[in-house]
Amino acid sequence: SQQGEEDPQALSIQEGENATMNCSYKTSINNLQWYRQNSGRGLVHLILIRSNEREKHSGRLRVTLDTSKKSSSLLITASRAADTASYFCATAPGAGGTSYGKLTFGQGTILTVHP
Amino acid sequence: NAGVTQTPKFRVLKTGQSMTLLCAQDMNHEYMYWYRQDPGMGLRLIHYSVGEGTTAKGEVPDGYNVSRLKKQNFLLGLESAAPSQTSVYFCAGTPSPWGTEAFFGQGTRLTVV
Repeated sequence: SQQGEEDPQALSIQEGENATMNCSYKTSINNLQWYRQNSGRGLVHLILIRSNEREKHSGRLRVTLDTSKKSSSLLITASRAADTASYFCATAPGAGGTSYGKLTFGQGTILTVHP
Repeated sequence: NAGVTQTPKFRVLKTGQSMTLLCAQDMNHEYMYWYRQDPGMGLRLIHYSVGEGTTAKGEVPDGYNVSRLKKQNFLLGLESAAPSQTSVYFCAGTPSPWGTEAFFGQGTRLTVV
């Protein structure tokens, strides 16, 4: 079963605008990660936020985590055409024992940035 | 460094045929994973390994087998391919069991006809 639900499924914006994607999950987590996938390529890690963190920045990326609501958001500021890709959230379980690095992925958000 | 490399990149199989997908990593990762990606379903874990000589089942293991005879290689086998196994397969590795960054291969697009 899928841990994460992502919203929206697809997002279309103009260059320069901000893009916000949301992820909800069901069980307790150790951390939540965001990945990017360009068409026909593998996933590339963007950012990781731990369960005891509320916000994290990396360049034009801002991630928030609300463990009480079991949700996270990814904000891409000043988007570029090169940001066009699918974005996935992934959770690492937090309850008891080791997850052995296993990640549970959401269905992804397809972002299209128009020049 | 090559990172995580998958071979082949594309393959078409007939129903009932068998094949092996190879994942090779030069990052010295202990933990390796095979996922499949289907439209609208994200990635689902097939099998994983926590070190050389070990394998374990993931979320959707049926119809697949794996082997990790060497630390750097993780093989995914389909003994008798079915159309339901048409998918894109991704291998990934990570150095830590605590859910740190995973490094993915570029994927193998498999079609079973």
